[in-house]
Amino acid sequence: GQNIDQPTEMTATEGAIVQINCTYQTSGFNGLFWYQQHAGEAPTFLSYNVLDGLEEKGRFSSFLSRSKGYSYLLLKELQMKDSASYLCAVRVINQTGANNLFFGTGTRLTVIP
Amino acid sequence: DAGVIQSPRHEVTEMGQEVTLRCKPISGHDYLFWYRQTMMRGLELLIYFNNNVPIDDSGMPEDRFSAKMPNASFSTLKIQPSEPRDSAVYFCASSRRTSVDTQYFGPGTRLTVL
Repeated sequence: GQNIDQPTEMTATEGAIVQINCTYQTSGFNGLFWYQQHAGEAPTFLSYNVLDGLEEKGRFSSFLSRSKGYSYLLLKELQMKDSASYLCAVRVINQTGANNLFFGTGTRLTVIP
Repeated sequence: DAGVIQSPRHEVTEMGQEVTLRCKPISGHDYLFWYRQTMMRGLELLIYFNNNVPIDDSGMPEDRFSAKMPNASFSTLKIQPSEPRDSAVYFCASSRRTSVDTQYFGPGTRLTVL
């Protein structure tokens, strides 16, 4: 099976920087996604990493180290609207060559004034 | 584009009743996914289709669950008979190609089985 770990909850201050970590143990790794999910809403895509390194997209950046089974999502200049759950998801190629996406349980981020 | 469309948005039913959830993927997307989300287990993949054909249903919890995709623009997830432990939010998502493209999620159906 797939093992994906991320902290359950985090709190940060408006305007600050926060880093949400995700570690995974899997075979057939084929990419890592970060999704944002506001309460009562559907997950929405934030970022995708398949090679090692940092991907930057505005206030959000995502980092991947495949050798360490580790990723983080970095949120800069936090805004109140960034309060949400952040889901780490690992794409895996199975024995038949099909791709499956496995989600962590999510990190609930609360941004305080 | 209207995005992924799901219906109903909320469903309350009694134990033992049949429940049918519906999904219309984004036009042009070849892949369709059904997920279930609970507080305890997070987001779990139930089944996914490629070009209307079920590819992997290993996540379907048991025989009470079934899914169909009769054409490229419609899919159903059926639970018969429903049980209280099936209460969850059920999401449908679609993508063009799983190897590269991201999945776009519908708004979900919140199911409550009493």
